[in-house]
Amino acid sequence: AQSVTQPDIHITVSEGASLELRCNYSYGATPYLFWYVQSPGQGLQLLLKYFSGDTLVQGIKGFEAEFKRSQSSFNLRKPSVHWSDAAEYFCAVGTNNAGNMLTFGGGTRLMVKP
Amino acid sequence: EAQVTQNPRYLITVTGKKLTVTCSQNMNHEYMSWYRQDPGLGLRQIYYSMNVEVTDKGDVPEGYKVSRKEKRNFPLILESPSPNQTSLYFCASSNGQARTQYFGPGTRLLVL
Repeated sequence: AQSVTQPDIHITVSEGASLELRCNYSYGATPYLFWYVQSPGQGLQLLLKYFSGDTLVQGIKGFEAEFKRSQSSFNLRKPSVHWSDAAEYFCAVGTNNAGNMLTFGGGTRLMVKP
Repeated sequence: EAQVTQNPRYLITVTGKKLTVTCSQNMNHEYMSWYRQDPGLGLRQIYYSMNVEVTDKGDVPEGYKVSRKEKRNFPLILESPSPNQTSLYFCASSNGQARTQYFGPGTRLLVL
C-alpha cells in the first residue's frame, strides 16, 4: 500500500523568503503526485500535479515541485512567500488502482511572518 | 461554474440520530469519493464510486453508507452517528482519466 509522509507539521517563514515543503512517498510503481492547499475554512485547491515527463512541475500561485524518484520525494517550493500563502499544504499520491484513491500526507501548516 | 457542492456545511447532531450529507457535481464526472479529515492524519478515503450503482469501500468505511443513483449525486449517510465520527468531510469528483480530484468545500460535523 502507498503512503505519504510530510515531516514538517508546522513551518514559519518570513514574507519574501523562500519556501520548501517536504514530501516523501512510498509506492512500488510510478506514482501520480499532487500538492493541494487548504486555506482556513476552505476546501482543497489543486496547486500542481505530476504524472510523467519533466520532473520539475509548475503550478499555480508561483509554486513548483520536483519529482525525485531516487529519493521518493516530491518537494514543493516557492521562491518568495506572500502573506496570503499562509495555509495548510497536503501532498498526495494517486495510483492506477480501480479506486482512484488519493493517499494524503498529514499536512504542513505554513505560517508567514510579516 | 464547474464545482462540487456539499450540504450542509456545518452540522451538530447527537449520537444515534441518522443524518445525510449531500454531494453534487456538475462536471459529468464518473468517479466520486468521500474523505474525512482529522488533525495530523490528513484526508482518508471513506467510500468511492466509479459510476452509477458502483460503490466500494475506501480506507475507513465503518459507520458510513453511500449510494450512487445518479451520476451527479453521491450522498454520505451516517445511520447511527457516534462521537468518533466528529470530523471534517470532503466530497471529491474526478473524470478518472486525469486522476485529478476536485474537492467540495467541506462539511464540518460534530456528534455529541
